[in-house]
Amino acid sequence: EDKVVQSPLSLVVHEGDTVTLNCSYEVTNFRSLLWYKQEKKAPTFLFMLTSSGIEKKSGRLSSILDKKELSSILNITATQTGDSAIYLCAVGRGAYKYIFGTGTRLKVLA
Amino acid sequence: DGGITQSPKYLFRKEGQNVTLSCEQNLNHDAMYWYRQDPGQGLRLIYYSQIVNDFQKGDIAEGYSVSREKKESFPLTVTSAQKNPTAFYLCATRGPYSNQPQHFGDGTRLSIL
Repeated sequence: EDKVVQSPLSLVVHEGDTVTLNCSYEVTNFRSLLWYKQEKKAPTFLFMLTSSGIEKKSGRLSSILDKKELSSILNITATQTGDSAIYLCAVGRGAYKYIFGTGTRLKVLA
Repeated sequence: DGGITQSPKYLFRKEGQNVTLSCEQNLNHDAMYWYRQDPGQGLRLIYYSQIVNDFQKGDIAEGYSVSREKKESFPLTVTSAQKNPTAFYLCATRGPYSNQPQHFGDGTRLSIL
């Protein structure tokens, strides 16, 4: 059975800390791995990863995929209270389907 | 996403009632999806559609139905057969290629009266 597992389930840090979120997967016909940020409503797209070892960066956020280990990490440096959200990992299976993890709930304290 | 509109934002269902959630998009995307999100769980796929007049069951289709008569619209009906419908429902779209990400609407929160 396909599965995507995220860890930790929740995390509380202080502003300025660096955090690393993990996503591991067992999915047949892997196509891509995606990270989303969900604050209150719609998940917003952060990164899509398809190739192993190539880091993607956007400001203080970065992510990398390891296809050998079937995993990905999302790093957030110099965290801010606005980073508080649920971070979702999804794996594209075949041409159209996506399997989502349960998410990591991040709270950043001022 | 500005191009995906879900309505209503909140919906209450009485026992034995069918209710329909609306999802409209102006992104010209072929693929559309419905997910259900429960507290502490990830998004679970209900139905998806690759193209007009075609749709496929997802992992939890029982008690739900959809139609795709127009490219822009993919309504979801929660039938009375769905015994535990209280959840947050998200609609998503995607372009024609698997290297494009999904984009999400703002969701509809459905509760039982």
